[in-house]
Amino acid sequence: AQTVTQSQPEMSVQEAETVTLSCTYDTSESDYYLFWYKQPPSRQMILVIRQEAYKQQNATENRFSVNFQKAAKSFSLKISDSQLGDAAMYFCAYRRGAETSGSRLTFGEGTQLTVNP
Amino acid sequence: KAGVTQTPRYLIKTRGQQVTLSCSPISGHRSVSWYQQTPGQGLQFLFEYFSETQRNKGNFPGRFSGRQFSNSRSEMNVSTLELGDSALYLCASSLSVVDTQYFGPGTRLTVL
Repeated sequence: AQTVTQSQPEMSVQEAETVTLSCTYDTSESDYYLFWYKQPPSRQMILVIRQEAYKQQNATENRFSVNFQKAAKSFSLKISDSQLGDAAMYFCAYRRGAETSGSRLTFGEGTQLTVNP
Repeated sequence: KAGVTQTPRYLIKTRGQQVTLSCSPISGHRSVSWYQQTPGQGLQFLFEYFSETQRNKGNFPGRFSGRQFSNSRSEMNVSTLELGDSALYLCASSLSVVDTQYFGPGTRLTVL
């Protein structure tokens, strides 16, 4: 079974600074997808970024980028120029790639990010 | 496009009762998944529906069931509620089973 581990329950960053959230996963699959979702106090789960395992290039979305290390099974999220609105719980998630596997997401425990003004 | 909607947003029930939660996916999305979120267990997959068929089911007792209608709207039902069923229930939709999932705001269920 696949597992996702986020070893940092809490992180804090100063506004305008950069922070990196860690995620490791365990799988025997070669085809899979990785995601970062954020969940602000409203509890709405919002997609931050997605990475396909077959792509060597790291995904980026504006101030958000990932460091995908397939051999190490590591998938960290870097937030640049942190803003107060980035404060949220961040979840790393894994999904198998085969269509027959369905869309089931396996989530990590989450990292609570605080942004200090 | 409107996002995923879930009704009701908040629900209070007593032990032994049953409850039905509703999820309307993003227009055009045919895959709907349900997740339970609790402080102790985190986010756990309940089940997934595509074109009215259940494709996957998580490790939950038979008291948890669901269905999907021809318009892709989905409902989940929990019978004989237990205190431990208190949770945030999240619904997510995607175009197909291999596309990115987008989540609704959730239904907060409290069992007294």
